[in-house]
Amino acid sequence: SQTIHQWPATLVQPVGSPLSLECTVEGTSNPNLYWYRQAAGRGLQLLFYSVGIGQISSEVPQNLSASRPQDRQFILSSKKLLLSDSGFYLCAWSVPGNYEQYFGPGTRLTVT
Amino acid sequence: DQQVKQNSPSLSVQEGRISILNCDYTNSMFDYFLWYKKYPAEGPTFLISISSIKDKNEDGRFTVFLNKSAKHLSLHIVPSQPGDSAVYFCAASARSGAQKLVFGQGTRLTINP
Repeated sequence: SQTIHQWPATLVQPVGSPLSLECTVEGTSNPNLYWYRQAAGRGLQLLFYSVGIGQISSEVPQNLSASRPQDRQFILSSKKLLLSDSGFYLCAWSVPGNYEQYFGPGTRLTVT
Repeated sequence: DQQVKQNSPSLSVQEGRISILNCDYTNSMFDYFLWYKKYPAEGPTFLISISSIKDKNEDGRFTVFLNKSAKHLSLHIVPSQPGDSAVYFCAASARSGAQKLVFGQGTRLTINP
């Protein structure tokens, strides 16, 4: 069966520090991969998606970037965090061509 | 521009009764709709979906209804159970290369014993 992992589960970082969040998927090949952010009291906002290694599409211009160095690995990064980057970050995967997305456990990021 | 809207931030229902969660959308290109359930500090879990060629889809206690002319969908849970207490998100997708989802803001459902 397929599983999706995210780490770390929680993170507290000062303003101006770098960020790296990692997501890996097991049990499937060539998945579509997605990064979402949920701000407090808000819905899920799609940040980036990828349909293959090295292929990244950005949905919202911002202080973040994403990379997909391996088929089942998706990384969210920032060179310098802002206070507004605080939130709950979720990684998801889907079978190409299917609409259903399956989410990881999330990372709670607090920028202080 | 919020393309998917859940206008009720919260809903309280008595155990055993029916819970009805509503969702409206504006983009007529959406052709697939999904409902997710989310507990605090966890990722959303997929519940049920419906294609735009249907007007109803049922899975156990969960039924989703789609009214394309009104651009409205609803999730019915019957009977409601305490474990159903969570935040429910509706999502929609238009035919695209990566099946991107647009989410509503969520409705917090509380089932009272």
